Amino acid sequence: DTGVSQDPRHKITKRGQNVTFRCDPISEHNRLYWYRQTLGQGPEFLTYFQNEAQLEKSRLLSDRFSAERPKGSFSTLEIQRTEQGDSAMYLCASSLGQAGDSGNTIYFGEGSWLTVV
Amino acid sequence: AQTVTQSQPEMSVQEAETVTLSCTYDTSENNYYLFWYKQPPSRQMILVIRQEAYKQQNATENRFSVNFQKAAKSFSLKISDSQLGDTAMYFCAFMKHATSGTYKYIFGTGTRLKVLA
Repeated sequence: DTGVSQDPRHKITKRGQNVTFRCDPISEHNRLYWYRQTLGQGPEFLTYFQNEAQLEKSRLLSDRFSAERPKGSFSTLEIQRTEQGDSAMYLCASSLGQAGDSGNTIYFGEGSWLTVV
Repeated sequence: AQTVTQSQPEMSVQEAETVTLSCTYDTSENNYYLFWYKQPPSRQMILVIRQEAYKQQNATENRFSVNFQKAAKSFSLKISDSQLGDTAMYFCAFMKHATSGTYKYIFGTGTRLKVLA
């Protein structure tokens, strides 16, 4: 078990550029989540996948943000036309969900820091 | 909408002493889950302890225990015999029961705990 891995760990980009983050969940986990965390705040939910289906999206996820999880394995989060307000840590998490499960502990990656200059 | 409040931005405790971190939440749900996550400096967020709302017994994990008061909507974390490695940000989180169809965690703003030698 190698845990949730994220790449890149740090990204500095100029305003207006596009950036893409990748997340590889724990291998047997069927659920994958993206959260955003700014300094001094707790993580905020962005979106959630069950296998390849994107089942829930936050209103925080503007039309400049898109997430995919082809084949239900790794996921990508793309931010187009970045703005300074997008500067944050983007956290990926995964969990093993089963039919009728009564709880859902999620396991986080180390995050991808984005700085928009 | 659910909210999670952590009213203590920072706390400190002497090594080997006991400290309690506060968390309150607001929900109209009857079935839900509560979590405490730990985020060490520049490290990934890890689960400390979880509590199912339908269970009256407070959860414990080694030196970590919770005081869950459902009627008061309070979920405090007690750390006994504090160790230097407990220094971290601690986040309280809420999740509705899986039957609600959502797996979104709602996090508080965190409490920065420093254990002093």
